[in-house]
Amino acid sequence: DGGITQSPKYLFRKEGQNVTLSCEQNLNHDAMYWYRQDPGQGLRLIYYSQIVNDFQKGDIAEGYSVSREKKESFPLTVTSAQKNPTAFYLCASSISEQGYYRGNQPQHFGDGTRLSIL
Amino acid sequence: AQKITQTQPGMFVQEKEAVTLDCTYDTSDPSYGLFWYKQPSSGEMIFLIYQGSYDQQNATEGRYSLNFQKARKSANLVISASQLGDSAMYFCAMRTNRDDKIIFGKGTRLHILP
Repeated sequence: DGGITQSPKYLFRKEGQNVTLSCEQNLNHDAMYWYRQDPGQGLRLIYYSQIVNDFQKGDIAEGYSVSREKKESFPLTVTSAQKNPTAFYLCASSISEQGYYRGNQPQHFGDGTRLSIL
Repeated sequence: AQKITQTQPGMFVQEKEAVTLDCTYDTSDPSYGLFWYKQPSSGEMIFLIYQGSYDQQNATEGRYSLNFQKARKSANLVISASQLGDSAMYFCAMRTNRDDKIIFGKGTRLHILP
């Protein structure tokens, strides 16, 4: 079945440590996204990528980094510069098309990674 | 600026009753899509329903329907005959033809009472 796989489901980070969250999709989608969700809150966009080897900052990119070397993969690194990383992280993907049809493409989400500080 | 507003942080509804979750949006783009997602306590985001800005009829998917009032920039989700399993967080979202960003509202937590 096609879908998005995030791993690990739970992740613990020590102070001063970088950690990487994995996101893989086999939906052949061009666009991929990373969101952060704090308890009881909505989703905030960290980074998104519309094509391989290209990505854009979202609303809260500071302290995070991404890469997009393959269409299927969009890993997120939470760096030590991110002072409050405890949150639920969601990866998503969607079809990216120029022009008229872009607006009707929903995002498909992974099951998320819960990151906590030790 | 593009924006999604959900004014109901939480709602309590008796089982089997219909429920309406409010969503208003703001965009200057004439071509856009509106989406509703359900997030159970387990955390995954489930796509429920989509409405396009040029669609003449309101979208329906099973027990879900979208009350789309374009002039008022409103896209309310209606759940008919609510069930205990409908208890979850619900997010309204918008995507325009401008780029691939999708904007989410802050969500409404729905509690269905037995």
